[in-house]
Amino acid sequence: LAKTTQPISMDSYEGQEVNITCSHNNIATNDYITWYQQFPSQGPRFIIQGYKTKVTNEVASLFIPADRKSSTLSLPRVSLSDTAVYYCLVGDGLTGGGNKLTFGTGTQLKVEL
Amino acid sequence: DADVTQTPRNRITKTGKRIMLECSQTKGHDRMYWYRQDPGLGLRLIYYSFDVKDINKGEISDGYSVSRQAQAKFSLSLESAIPNQTALYFCATSDLTGDQETQYFGPGTRLLVL
Repeated sequence: LAKTTQPISMDSYEGQEVNITCSHNNIATNDYITWYQQFPSQGPRFIIQGYKTKVTNEVASLFIPADRKSSTLSLPRVSLSDTAVYYCLVGDGLTGGGNKLTFGTGTQLKVEL
Repeated sequence: DADVTQTPRNRITKTGKRIMLECSQTKGHDRMYWYRQDPGLGLRLIYYSFDVKDINKGEISDGYSVSRQAQAKFSLSLESAIPNQTALYFCATSDLTGDQETQYFGPGTRLLVL
């Protein structure tokens, strides 16, 4: 079971780029890396997912180095509404799912004016 | 996500009572999950189901049971509620594409056990 390690909290200001790094040293060959965002009293929401190199969508980019032992979620030009908890998960849905989709405590991002 | 609904949204009960939390989905996903979240902590998996005939224990299944009545419905029961089961409960479904699994969460049920 791939364990992930993230910073407990980060602070930023509106308009800045925020990078949140997640360590997953024992990631398995078939594991994907997925990031979720959670606002208070709401369920987590999918942000982005990747296997290697770089993935970009309309809200974020995900950078994964060649050894895949870490990944970095990049949020460009954050706003107050990006204040949330961000979770990094690693898992292989085909052979695992279930217990392999483990949410740690996440990173609390606070964006200020 | 409106495609995953949970009832009730809030519930207060007393120690020793049996209660059921319900989850319904219109996404057509086979996989469904129940998590609990305590203040300041991440989500912990209680039970999960990969199809109607499949039930699996998660990290913290003691004191809970589940029923997968249909593809669209997954219920969580607390057989005899205790105060430390006070938490925010989330149901989720997941979409599996190849090896990639993406979860979709309901709005949560806030449970208070007195």
